[in-house]
Order: sequence, then C-alpha cells, then structure tokens
Amino acid sequence: DVKVTQSSRYLVKRTGEKVFLECVQDMDHENMFWYRQDPGLGLRLIYFSYDVKMKEKGDIPEGYSVSREKKERFSLILESASTNQTSMYLCASSLPGTGVSSALTQHFGDGTRLSIL
Amino acid sequence: RKEVEQDPGPFNVPEGATVAFNCTYSNSASQSFFWYRQDCRKEPKLLMSVYSSGNEDGRFTAQLNRASQYISLLIRDSKLSDSATYLCVVNKPGGYQKVTFGIGTKLQVIP
Repeated sequence: DVKVTQSSRYLVKRTGEKVFLECVQDMDHENMFWYRQDPGLGLRLIYFSYDVKMKEKGDIPEGYSVSREKKERFSLILESASTNQTSMYLCASSLPGTGVSSALTQHFGDGTRLSIL
Repeated sequence: RKEVEQDPGPFNVPEGATVAFNCTYSNSASQSFFWYRQDCRKEPKLLMSVYSSGNEDGRFTAQLNRASQYISLLIRDSKLSDSATYLCVVNKPGGYQKVTFGIGTKLQVIP
C-alpha cells in the first residue's frame, strides 16, 4: 500500500513566519503534488514536481515555494506566512504516465491543517 | 467557464435510494476521468476511474459522455456509509499528469 506521510496534522504559526510543510512517500513515485483545500473552492494545485529538483507551478503558486532534493520528499515553503494562507494542505504522489488512467491515480497524505494568526 | 464543475449539494437521500451526480468538464482534449471520495476531515481517496464504455463497481456505476463533456456517478441502494463528498477529477491535457479536481458533491444518506 502507498503511504504518504505529512509531518504535522495541525500547525499554528504567526504572520510573517517562514513555514515548512514536509511530505514523504514510500512508493518511489516520480510525481508529487501540493494542494490546498478551502470550502467552496475545492482542491487547488500549488506546485507539482515530476522528478528530483524538477518543479512546475500549479494554479496558485504565489507566496509559496517548494523543494525536492530527494525522490521521496517534497517540501512546501511559505516564505512569509499570511492569514490568507490558513487552509488545509494536502500532499499527493503518483506514478508517471501518458494517459493511462491508473498511472494518474493520486495517493494523498492525511493533510495538514495550518492556521496563520 | 470552470475546468471542472459540480453541483456542491448537499444531496440528502434516504437509505436504499438511488442517487446520481453529474460533472461537466471544459477541455474536450481531456482523456482521463475519475471519481474520488472524501470523508469529512479526511484525505481524498480514489473511488473509481471512468472508462469510455462506462464501468461498474458493485453499487457504483460511472459513465462518460464525450459529446456533452460530462461524467456521471450513480449509486444504487445507498448506505449510511456512502455519506461523503464525491470529487470529480479530470486530467489536464499535455504536461506531466496534472489533474483538476471539482469542488465536490456532498451526499448525506439519511436513515
């Protein structure tokens, strides 16, 4: 079974702090994703990584950066946290693929509920 | 137009009822379609992929209508445990296997 582990379930930080959210997967997946989920807006992609040191901006990258130094670990960084970044953050991983449905299946971590005060 | 649109509900149905959700997508070049299930305060999990010819998994049936650009999920004989939010997911054509999630349709099965 794929296991995606996020470092914290709940996190409270202050405005202006630099915040690190960590995600580790144990299935040697090439693709890793960071989403945020907000009521009425659904899951929105922040950043995507398709290989070590490779990254691609998602739909809402502003205020965030990412790091992928090892295949199994994908970190999301809030450079200077703001209250509008209070949200549920979800990490996911998947195999690579070219249109094969099963390859696009994303496996999610439990999520980190981040509050910025 | 949003890439993926769903009615957020909630759909309140009695146990044993049949319920159907639709989801429309905007990009005709999309090739892969999925339904995910998300329980309250939990992570999304894959429920089923949606194949061109339609597919069934127990009480769940998924169908794709390419001409009208929508997918559907039918749940027969609803159980209390089916209460959840159902997310429609569609791949973004081109690029590296990114997908777009709908906002989800909330289902509440009532005793």
